[in-house]
Amino acid sequence: GAGVSQSPSNKVTEKGKDVELRCDPISGHTALYWYRQSLGQGLEFLIYFQGNSAPDKSGLPSDRFSAERTGGSVSTLTIQRTQQEDSAVYLCASSFDRTGEKLFFGSGTQLSVL
Amino acid sequence: GQQLNQSPQSMFIQEGEDVSMNCTSSSIFNTWLWYKQDPGEGPVLLIALYKAGELTSNGRLTAQFGITRKDSFLNISASIPSDVGIYFCAGPDSGGSNYKLTFGKGTLLTVNP
Repeated sequence: GAGVSQSPSNKVTEKGKDVELRCDPISGHTALYWYRQSLGQGLEFLIYFQGNSAPDKSGLPSDRFSAERTGGSVSTLTIQRTQQEDSAVYLCASSFDRTGEKLFFGSGTQLSVL
Repeated sequence: GQQLNQSPQSMFIQEGEDVSMNCTSSSIFNTWLWYKQDPGEGPVLLIALYKAGELTSNGRLTAQFGITRKDSFLNISASIPSDVGIYFCAGPDSGGSNYKLTFGKGTLLTVNP
């Protein structure tokens, strides 16, 4: 498709389990972002990938969170030993420039940790 | 870090009414962005503002970059049911990490047909 694709759209997991969330950005977009949206809150920056540069991981809330981007395209966000406070919508976005302004978001993964 | 305060938190209006919402910050932003999030979807950029005092329109939407650089307004004229959603203001961090956006908590708009 032409837009940012995220999978799964919904994920229900038990506390303590690991989860992997996938993002397929728009072809040709060099920048890829992960944001987290908790209920009733704004979007919270998690991590930024730009081309082959080292990612900015400054928004990751704990060392249980990690992300990688393979081949400058698909990205995976991994949450280890999930906790209930990890429940949120995880949004991926891509962009063709470095300013972070015109972001194209996917529909997100709704993560529920029981 | 930078924070953006949006008001109102929610609005319930009748179709055809005009809507106004705003966003304020304690620090200066050099760019103001307005995004809309439809239910179950990711946010979509509506309007970008780059200059203090700038007034920009996109169809029935009009946004303004405040003179102080610490606020912005979004107006929607003659609302229709598809205007329903969450409206976020956002701005890039200052300094070298301008790719990071700070988002407000959003204004939830409900339009009664």
